[in-house]
Amino acid sequence: QQQVKQSPQSLIVQKGGISIINCAYENTAFDYFPWYQQFPGKGPALLIAIRPDVSEKKEGRFTISFNKSAKQFSLHIMDSQPGDSATYFCAARSPPGSSASKIIFGSGTRLSIRP
Amino acid sequence: AAGVIQSPRHLIKEKRETATLKCYPIPRHDTVYWYQQGPGQDPQFLISFYEKMQSDKGSIPDRFSAQQFSDYHSELNMSSLELGDSALYFCASSQRGGWGREQYFGPGTRLTVT
Repeated sequence: QQQVKQSPQSLIVQKGGISIINCAYENTAFDYFPWYQQFPGKGPALLIAIRPDVSEKKEGRFTISFNKSAKQFSLHIMDSQPGDSATYFCAARSPPGSSASKIIFGSGTRLSIRP
Repeated sequence: AAGVIQSPRHLIKEKRETATLKCYPIPRHDTVYWYQQGPGQDPQFLISFYEKMQSDKGSIPDRFSAQQFSDYHSELNMSSLELGDSALYFCASSQRGGWGREQYFGPGTRLTVT
């Protein structure tokens, strides 16, 4: 059972447009929600992260919106660029005090930005 | 800034052989995690170590074992390799304590079993 559900599986956006990726989670004990960007053959790179007591976090063109009551969060990429073409994973981390707090990944979204 | 180092980057083995993957965490990071990513899949947690002790265990086959050494580097040992073990293996490291504890991933080792 996927503890973090991600959609869509793939997304095509025109250059300059807004890319939106959605995630939902089940475990209310998760305490940290990162987004990772992964290029083919490379390791996931931490892009931006949010804690559940914050409703929005913005870093440059990347914004996370977090809805704690709905147990949903999303990534918005403004002014999408061809260099943003990659696979994006939302994730959740098990809470502090629970051993080493593994990261649980969503299934990934393959984003393609058309020039 | 220093990143997580993994070696080798590519490894080709035959069925039933053994393989050892190495991970060198970011300096001052005390926790190491191993993940397996199959083609088109999301990374799946295998095992983690904190201060040289196993701290959490995920979907790691019994044929695999791992350990963390006194210098905090970690090795993932894989025996009786199967075709299905072909995947990207990522190591991540973090510094325990505080809210941050972000996990930073290495470039991965691509294991191909033939």
